[in-house]
Amino acid sequence: DQQVKQNSPSLSVQEGRISILNCDYTNSMFDYFLWYKKYPAEGPTFLISISSIKDKNEDGRFTVFLNKSAKHLSLHIVPSQPGDSAVYFCAASSQGGSEKLVFGKGTKLTVNP
Amino acid sequence: NAGVMQNPRHLVRRRGQEARLRCSPMKGHSHVYWYRQLPEEGLKFMVYLQKENIIDESGMPKERFSAEFPKEGPSILRIQQVVRGDSAAYFCASSPQVDEKLFFGSGTQLSVL
Repeated sequence: DQQVKQNSPSLSVQEGRISILNCDYTNSMFDYFLWYKKYPAEGPTFLISISSIKDKNEDGRFTVFLNKSAKHLSLHIVPSQPGDSAVYFCAASSQGGSEKLVFGKGTKLTVNP
Repeated sequence: NAGVMQNPRHLVRRRGQEARLRCSPMKGHSHVYWYRQLPEEGLKFMVYLQKENIIDESGMPKERFSAEFPKEGPSILRIQQVVRGDSAAYFCASSPQVDEKLFFGSGTQLSVL
């Protein structure tokens, strides 16, 4: 029973273009959403988060959009850089914070020079 | 300020042996979380601890797995009588407060022969 789904295992984009990573969830109790980035042989690194009371949060090149009615969120990276190549995990929590996160399976982003 | 330290990075055990995974949280962090990542899967919550207390162990298998976070020293995840299905990457994370973002270690890759 996957409560957080990332349906695209991989995504390839050209440097300078926009990367859009998608995530769907099924549990309507989720109220806090996060994106983590993971390089090989390293642990996940926090990227950006959004509370369910918002529909957009922006931090530099990274923007997360939340559509509660569709139970969908997306991460936009503009412009994409080769250093952004990594696995991106969407995560959700029903406790308002980072406790007991439910992760998706991840999307491997490759940014080509 | 050193990050979350996990050791060993790689651990090989034969079926039936015990595995001990260690995690030293970031300085000033009193909240520790363990997650497990099976191949081709997302991270799955196992347990949340504070110093000397288990707060939430709802993600821990009922048998063979235990975790502790003593007053002094690192947090330990202990797996008794390992089986092949325990082969996975085990990540530890810490946070200064329960509602704050998690900082992950680089993980311990457990391989059971």
